[in-house]
Amino acid sequence: DAGVTQSPTHLIKTRGQQVTLRCSPISGHKSVSWYQQVLGQGPQFIFQYYEKEERGRGNFPDRFSARQFPNYSSELNVNALLLGDSALYLCASSRSDEQFFGPGTRLTVL
Amino acid sequence: GENVEQHPSTLSVQEGDSAVIKCTYSDSASNYFPWYKQELGKGPQLIIDIRSNVGEKKDQRIAVTLNKTAKHFSLHITETQPEDSAVYFCAASRGQAGTALIFGKGTTLSVSS
Repeated sequence: DAGVTQSPTHLIKTRGQQVTLRCSPISGHKSVSWYQQVLGQGPQFIFQYYEKEERGRGNFPDRFSARQFPNYSSELNVNALLLGDSALYLCASSRSDEQFFGPGTRLTVL
Repeated sequence: GENVEQHPSTLSVQEGDSAVIKCTYSDSASNYFPWYKQELGKGPQLIIDIRSNVGEKKDQRIAVTLNKTAKHFSLHITETQPEDSAVYFCAASRGQAGTALIFGKGTTLSVSS
C-alpha cells in the first residue's frame, strides 16, 4: 500500500509570500493532521481534519489555514510568510489513534 | 496543556548494547503513547505504541513500558545495530478525534560498530 505522500518536497519562498502544501493520506484513512517541525525539535501540531471538518487546532496564528477535500487529501496554506516559518511541514494520516507520517515538505523562507 | 519531557537528548552505545530512552508526561487524561524513529531527511516512522490499559509491549528487539501512576514511559532497544542510529521521539495524546500528538524534543541515538 502507498504511504502518505506530500508535495512539493522542497520549497523556497520570500518573506510576505503565500504557500500551499499538499498531502494525500493512506487509502482508507479519513483523518489528516499537519505538524510543523523546526530543526532539532519534535513536531508541533497545527491542525487535524476528519471527514472534511476541522477537529483540532494547535497554537498557530491565523496565517495558517487548511482544508480537506472529498477524497480526504488536504492542503495547508500559510500566508504572509515569516522567516520563522522555515521548517519541515509534516502530514500524518490516521484511521484511529495511530498516526502515520509522510516525508514532509521542507519550506525555506528567505 | 500536555507537556512531554524526553531524556537523554543524545545517547551513544556500542553495537550489541541496550539503549533506554525515557519520557514523562503531564496530562493525566493522556492514554496513547507512540514512539517514532526519524532518519535524516525522512518523516517520523511509527515503531511501537502503548495504550494506558497495558504496562508493557514488545516487538522483537523493541519494548515500551508505561507507568501511569508516575506518568512516565520508556523505550528499550536491545542488541542495538548501526541501523538503529536515528532520532527517536516519544509522544502522548488523549487518543480522541481531533487531539494532537504532543512530542518530546527527541533523542539522537548513535550506535557504533
